[in-house]
Amino acid sequence: AQSVTQPDIHITVSEGASLELRCNYSYGATPYLFWYVQSPGQGLQLLLKYFSGDTLVQGIKGFEAEFKRSQSSFNLRKPSVHWSDAAEYFCAVGDIIQGAQKLVFGQGTRLTINP
Amino acid sequence: DTAVSQTPKYLVTQMGNDKSIKCEQNLGHDTMYWYKQDSKKFLKIMFSYNNKELIINETVPNRFSPKSPDKAHLNLHINSLELGDSAVYFCASSPEWDRYEQYFGPGTRLTVT
Repeated sequence: AQSVTQPDIHITVSEGASLELRCNYSYGATPYLFWYVQSPGQGLQLLLKYFSGDTLVQGIKGFEAEFKRSQSSFNLRKPSVHWSDAAEYFCAVGDIIQGAQKLVFGQGTRLTINP
Repeated sequence: DTAVSQTPKYLVTQMGNDKSIKCEQNLGHDTMYWYKQDSKKFLKIMFSYNNKELIINETVPNRFSPKSPDKAHLNLHINSLELGDSAVYFCASSPEWDRYEQYFGPGTRLTVT
């Protein structure tokens, strides 16, 4: 079964600083990779996804992520965070179970923004 | 024009009771899901339906029974509620051609006392 690890449970950055959230996956072939964001009291929203092609993918809200096969990583970045970016961030990998597609999520990284 | 909606948003009940959570999507998607998010924020799929047909059934106690009356609705009924059922339950939907791109509802926080 596929798995996703987000090594950082909680990260704090100052507003305006750059951000990188780590994600490592285990998957034999080329994975389908995703980043979702969960704002407090809300459901999850898709930020970006990687299926194939360019390893640097752009998403919504100014986020980007880079797929590095050699490191089995798909880290999320943002050059300058805003207070509204405070949320829980989930990395996910696509998997097939019982013949159907599903998402396998990491444990999440909680992002706190200092003013 | 909410895409995926769930009711209720909060549910507090006692052990042993039976409760239902409803989910509706207006995105025209064919596939719907139920996820459970525990107190540590870990998110795990429970069930998935495609056009009213069950396609994913993870290891979930028999007390949990999903029902899909039509492809826009997926309800979750839970019998004999236990303390360990306390969690946030999320409904999601996706188009059949890209089941990885999922749209989530706002969640239902279930508290069993």
